[in-house]
Amino acid sequence: DTEVTQTPKHLVMGMTNKKSLKCEQHMGHRAMYWYKQKAKKPPELMFVYSYEKLSINESVPSRFSPECPNSSLLNLHLHALQPEDSALYLCASSQTTRDRGRRDEKLFFGSGTQLSVL
Amino acid sequence: AQKITQTQPGMFVQEKEAVTLDCTYDTSDPSYGLFWYKQPSSGEMIFLIYQGSYDQQNATEGRYSLNFQKARKSANLVISASQLGDSAMYFCAMREPTTGNQFYFGTGTSLTVIP
Repeated sequence: DTEVTQTPKHLVMGMTNKKSLKCEQHMGHRAMYWYKQKAKKPPELMFVYSYEKLSINESVPSRFSPECPNSSLLNLHLHALQPEDSALYLCASSQTTRDRGRRDEKLFFGSGTQLSVL
Repeated sequence: AQKITQTQPGMFVQEKEAVTLDCTYDTSDPSYGLFWYKQPSSGEMIFLIYQGSYDQQNATEGRYSLNFQKARKSANLVISASQLGDSAMYFCAMREPTTGNQFYFGTGTSLTVIP
């Protein structure tokens, strides 16, 4: 199984809603990532979890709240979003060593959640 | 400074022809990895090819090859015998072990294959 599964594929929410994005992998990877991507732009890193601990937070607003319940699951909780938060949200995973990354560790991406905030 | 630079926002290629997508990078780390990803309109980022900084040979994966010129810090992707399904965004990316789990992406090149 070399898949990263993301649900839902599409999400429309109002600015007062609370919703969650889910990501799952069963490759035994110990690093999991959330990226935000606007159309025709590169992915922007939001969060990295390494061994279920948050290791990188790229100054993301608190209306985005990540959670890593176990080594296979990654959630992104959304609350009080703004229309400019509309984007494709990509989850990714990679093998990792505890101390530092290896240069050949590639990212495995899910197919993303297309989020629209009204 | 940009870690990864892709200077071609859009490229066109005739079906069955070869095309080269440019990528230059900036690092002072002697150990690094370079990657190319394809993103069709469906959104998923698909891994294409990897080149390590110590690899002597240029990487190849089927119709994809990487023209790695270390002294010039360039890692251009060559797609041979283009197919209509190759139309997509292509991102060059780099990983430096010293920065842990950071992955640096270029701005991407939009490739259109013309029948």
